[in-house]
Amino acid sequence: GQQVMQIPQYQHVQEGEDFTTYCNSSTTLSNIQWYKQRPGGHPVFLIQLVKSGEVKKQKRLTFQFGEAKKNSSLHITATQTTDVGTYFCAGTDGNNRLAFGKGNQVVVIP
Amino acid sequence: DGGITQSPKYLFRKEGQNVTLSCEQNLNHDAMYWYRQDPGQGLRLIYYSQIVNDFQKGDIAEGYSVSREKKESFPLTVTSAQKNPTAFYLCATAGREADEKLFFGSGTQLSVL
Repeated sequence: GQQVMQIPQYQHVQEGEDFTTYCNSSTTLSNIQWYKQRPGGHPVFLIQLVKSGEVKKQKRLTFQFGEAKKNSSLHITATQTTDVGTYFCAGTDGNNRLAFGKGNQVVVIP
Repeated sequence: DGGITQSPKYLFRKEGQNVTLSCEQNLNHDAMYWYRQDPGQGLRLIYYSQIVNDFQKGDIAEGYSVSREKKESFPLTVTSAQKNPTAFYLCATAGREADEKLFFGSGTQLSVL
């Protein structure tokens, strides 16, 4: 079945620095979604990417969808303490099944 | 999200007991989902329903049961057959299209006494 892998699983980031988290699928995806879960909270939708090579920006966050539609990345610049949490990617395969990665837990060091 | 209510927030289960987790939504969404979250394991799909009176098993349905008698409600029962029920349970909703974004409830933490 479809597998979505995220790397790294954990990151410690100094406040003010940039970081990237990656998402890779074993199959071609029709779209990919990103969610953020704050500590003690529930996942909240950030964005959806649909087109091959698509790039979308939300302030300090840049999301990319690979040309082959099998990988994606989230890049955050000038990290703030509010960026703490776990970032999940979720991909929809050709059978319309959504599969979540295990997440990237981000700790921000002040 | 304010449109999805999960209750209770914390739940304790005794050995051999069935417990039911509630999920109610007022978003008028057709699709509803139950996910289980364990530390470091991400979100795993238990059951989902795309329309009233119909539901399908997800990836880890064993030991769980659901019903969808009303559009607004999708309760999850954790049966005694589920030998490792301790986890954070999340209910989610989405529009009819499969790639609609998910809206999550605030979750229920289930623990075994």
